[in-house]
Amino acid sequence: DGGITQSPKYLFRKEGQNVTLSCEQNLNHDAMYWYRQDPGQGLRLIYYSQIVNDFQKGDIAEGYSVSREKKESFPLTVTSAQKNPTAFYLCASSPTGEIGTGELFFGEGSRLTVL
Amino acid sequence: GQSLEQPSEVTAVEGAIVQINCTYQTSGFYGLSWYQQHDGGAPTFLSYNALDGLEETGRFSSFLSRSDSYGYLLLQELQMKDSASYFCAVRDLDSNYQLIWGAGTKLIIKP
Repeated sequence: DGGITQSPKYLFRKEGQNVTLSCEQNLNHDAMYWYRQDPGQGLRLIYYSQIVNDFQKGDIAEGYSVSREKKESFPLTVTSAQKNPTAFYLCASSPTGEIGTGELFFGEGSRLTVL
Repeated sequence: GQSLEQPSEVTAVEGAIVQINCTYQTSGFYGLSWYQQHDGGAPTFLSYNALDGLEETGRFSSFLSRSDSYGYLLLQELQMKDSASYFCAVRDLDSNYQLIWGAGTKLIIKP
């Protein structure tokens, strides 16, 4: 079945360590996104990519990095520079990057806890 | 600045109707979306309004008034499985068409 797969579902990290969250989609969507969700808050955009080998910073990109070498994959690295990385991370994709209904298709999320 | 306001929590009874409001302040409004998210789960798309009026999809309807910068999600014949958080999100032209999200409304349904 088509969809978005995020891994791992749960991740624990020590302070000072980098960690990479995986996001793979087989929906043949052009655009992919990473969001961060904190309790009681809306989603905040970290990075997005509308085409392979290109990506743009969202509202809270500091301390994060991404790559988009393949259409299907958009991994997110949470670096040690991110001061408060404990959060729920959501990856999403959409068939068009700029216009349309605004429908995003989400993965099940990765919950990162920094010890 | 750009902001969306929605109530933090709404309580309703099973079988009833509930309305979740969303007011927005954005510089380049393009459309209003609604998403549902169950605890610990992924948000799922419910509806999208770009023009004024009511859009109906089964038990769920969504309304938009661009002149009032206001929209709402209407849920009818509430079922216990509708207990979730509901987010409004504006697609904003001035943010390169990216979505700006409200903080979400937790819908609690009582039997």
